Amino acid sequence: DQQVKQNSPSLSVQEGRISILNCDYTNSMFDYFLWYKKYPAEGPTFLISISSIKDKNEDGRFTVFLNKSAKHLSLHIVPSQPGDSAVYFCAAGMEYGNKLVFGAGTILRVKS
Amino acid sequence: GAGVSQSPRYKVAKRGQDVALRCDPISGHVSLFWYQQALGQGPEFLTYFQNEAQLDKSGLPSDRFFAERPEGSVSTLKIQRTQQEDSAVYLCASSLSVGQHSNQPQHFGDGTRLSIL
Repeated sequence: DQQVKQNSPSLSVQEGRISILNCDYTNSMFDYFLWYKKYPAEGPTFLISISSIKDKNEDGRFTVFLNKSAKHLSLHIVPSQPGDSAVYFCAAGMEYGNKLVFGAGTILRVKS
Repeated sequence: GAGVSQSPRYKVAKRGQDVALRCDPISGHVSLFWYQQALGQGPEFLTYFQNEAQLDKSGLPSDRFFAERPEGSVSTLKIQRTQQEDSAVYLCASSLSVGQHSNQPQHFGDGTRLSIL
């Protein structure tokens, strides 16, 4: 069963505008969420994380929002840049567990 | 090195052969993870080490898969009698923390792309 879902396989955004990537999860035991960015032929690179005790975490152009009641999180990138074009993975884990469960990824294309 | 290093980057093997994939984690990282990533999918957990102890191997798909980390640093993932469905990218990640804590993310290597003919 897919415990972490990214329902949009791809997203296209104009440079300078906002990119919003969405992620849903089903396991209420998850309490730690991360976003990774992946370029072709490279491993995933950590972007930003959020613990379930928060509903927002911000780092520069990247903000992650968590809605626990809806079991939904989103990544906002403002402003979007062509170098942001990559595959974005949402991942979830448990604070005192170990493994991460990943979504299938969303391909973001930022057009200049 | 500064990051997680994996070798080889690419491996082609014939069905039935044994393969060994190596991971050199970030120095000082206690936790080490192996993931398998199929084309078009996200990484899927295989196994987890805390230092030299393999604490979770629940994701290993069969007894043909074996992982070790004998000195608590470098790890090897071995696949015996490879089959075509083993073709995937194998990712290694390391983390400073024990288990998962805020601000202690897993850092990934670039993976080994395994192709079984």
